[in-house]
Amino acid sequence: GAVVSQHPSWVICKSGTSVKIECRSLDFQATTMFWYRQFPKQSLMLMATSNEGSKATYEQGVEKDKFLINHASLTLSTLTVTSAHPEDSSFYICSASIAGLSSYEQYFGPGTRLTVT
Amino acid sequence: GESVGLHLPTLSVQEGDNSIINCAYSNSASDYFIWYKQESGKGPQFIIDIRSNMDKRQGQRVTVLLNKTVKHLSLQIAATQPGDSAVYFCAETLQGGKLIFGQGTELSVKP
Repeated sequence: GAVVSQHPSWVICKSGTSVKIECRSLDFQATTMFWYRQFPKQSLMLMATSNEGSKATYEQGVEKDKFLINHASLTLSTLTVTSAHPEDSSFYICSASIAGLSSYEQYFGPGTRLTVT
Repeated sequence: GESVGLHLPTLSVQEGDNSIINCAYSNSASDYFIWYKQESGKGPQFIIDIRSNMDKRQGQRVTVLLNKTVKHLSLQIAATQPGDSAVYFCAETLQGGKLIFGQGTELSVKP
């Protein structure tokens, strides 16, 4: 149980275009989802916290107009990288907490590799 | 031995040996800590957790030690196997469930 999926698993896009990444909780409802970014050989950095039905909370230094997060249902959150540039190339990972349980337990998706050319 | 690379410290061990991976955390108010294993190109995988009211917790082949005085965590892997080769991250939990990940250590197991 507690499986989180991401789609796509990898994507290549041209500079200036937008890319949407989906994060789904497959067998549970997730009140809260988190989005992380990871550059090669580095740690995961929290980008934003997303609660179903409300606006996402972004970490300091993360541009909310560039990284649009939508959490429209208890099983789906999306991250849209707008006007992507090569420096946005990274590994994007989401996680989800089970509704009704401690938000301390997060279940991670497999990640999405974004390459901007 | 252990060395510090450009971004990620590395630990190289012989198969069958025990591995010890260390981590320093920053927030003395953190009350829940987790170790994750991340294989190349994949998301983090939960290994073991510990609450701040404990100083040791054991799982299958893994033990986590917590020293709150010096804000230090360690992960011990017994009888390390090639399948244990991965990057290991500690994470501390802040209020609201936010996870703050440590730097990570790349474990390489030599057959």
